[in-house]
Amino acid sequence: ETGVTQTPRHLVMGMTNKKSLKCEQHLGHNAMYWYKQSAKKPLELMFVYSLEERVENNSVPSRFSPECPNSSHLFLHLHTLQPEDSALYLCASSQVVGRGTEAFFGQGTRLTVV
Amino acid sequence: QKEVEQNSGPLSVPEGAIASLNCTYSDRGSQSFFWYRQYSGKSPELIMSIYSNGDKEDGRFTAQLNKASQYVSLLIRDSQPSDSATYLCAVNNVNYGQNFVFGPGTRLSVLP
Repeated sequence: ETGVTQTPRHLVMGMTNKKSLKCEQHLGHNAMYWYKQSAKKPLELMFVYSLEERVENNSVPSRFSPECPNSSHLFLHLHTLQPEDSALYLCASSQVVGRGTEAFFGQGTRLTVV
Repeated sequence: QKEVEQNSGPLSVPEGAIASLNCTYSDRGSQSFFWYRQYSGKSPELIMSIYSNGDKEDGRFTAQLNKASQYVSLLIRDSQPSDSATYLCAVNNVNYGQNFVFGPGTRLSVLP
């Protein structure tokens, strides 16, 4: 079983749809992250959770709504997305939020908004 | 937003050569530094982490950190075609809420 698992791997959705991305980590970590990776742009940090509490929100549009019910699970709820939101969405986890911590990524969800 | 910069490449090296990848960062208070490898269509994979000035070696990989110059590098010895990927530099400074700020990545191509 891989350390960080994301589902689905691929998602195509219309601009009026509502969908959710799921992330699960089996590493016993306390911090989880959502990143967006668009073509030709650096990885963009979207949300950070530490022990199920959101600790950082990098000015992400409200059409992206995260949820962290426990330290092993992280969701990203999507609604009324735009075509420019098409990207690879990556979940990561680390032991803690802080110095000396290493982040490990899931396989990502390739999202296409049509 | 604090910045992490890398040459986008592509950096081409012959098989068996040393590949040198460079990264500079703007936040002098950065504390932790990481190198990730990302194959096309895949997610980033952690290769090395370094926290103190100097060199850190792991197999064919050596990370070098110079905090005074705000510079971190990754050397890959005996480069193989399987090393062809994009290498991402990441910097962490949680004192300022900068959790894992990533550079744009350098694309490395190892030619057989």
